[in-house]
Amino acid sequence: DTAVSQTPKYLVTQMGNDKSIKCEQNLGHDTMYWYKQDSKKFLKIMFSYNNKELIINETVPNRFSPKSPDKAHLNLHINSLELGDSAVYFCASSQELSRRRYNEQFFGPGTRLTVL
Amino acid sequence: DQQVKQNSPSLSVQEGRISILNCDYTNSMFDYFLWYKKYPAEGPTFLISISSIKDKNEDGRFTVFLNKSAKHLSLHIVPSQPGDSAVYFCAASAPTPGTASKLTFGTGTRLQVTL
Repeated sequence: DTAVSQTPKYLVTQMGNDKSIKCEQNLGHDTMYWYKQDSKKFLKIMFSYNNKELIINETVPNRFSPKSPDKAHLNLHINSLELGDSAVYFCASSQELSRRRYNEQFFGPGTRLTVL
Repeated sequence: DQQVKQNSPSLSVQEGRISILNCDYTNSMFDYFLWYKKYPAEGPTFLISISSIKDKNEDGRFTVFLNKSAKHLSLHIVPSQPGDSAVYFCAASAPTPGTASKLTFGTGTRLQVTL
């Protein structure tokens, strides 16, 4: 009965490779997010999708491309991986903001990406 | 430019006592604040929140206080229990025109509750 799940949990890869991280939520939420937690433990938003539409796109290299096949899934594809991409990536979901003025975001367990 | 700051990276409290975790923010547009708890190798778990129209919100052992004039909020846990040992993140959001809220997080405070 996992609410927000991510696969894989750990990902070790070489520089220059292309990799994907998958995220699924079964909460019926309309909005999904990707966050990056760097080595300094700073958790920062990357993207947000609402009903498969990109809503938030922070200053992220275009090597990062989110894809939302349906509102329950938001995958993150990373091209030409670099050493600095090593981090923990968290997926999250929330109700659509218009349904409620404030909303909490529910997080997945994270994917630790290590680029060698 | 860190808009949400948790200046204490760690805190140690004895079981049964009160834990007070602090958070400061700089963006006066923030109007909703949240606390998340995080165990190792897990994602952050929502704990409690407060909107800027309130100055206090209570949920069981957890109380969040907001001082808008000082741009400061705190999380009180009483009594503290060993299971409360985790990293606590403060987060804030500002009104957005769209359908998604952007949370800005602090760097976290590691709470250790000792026996």
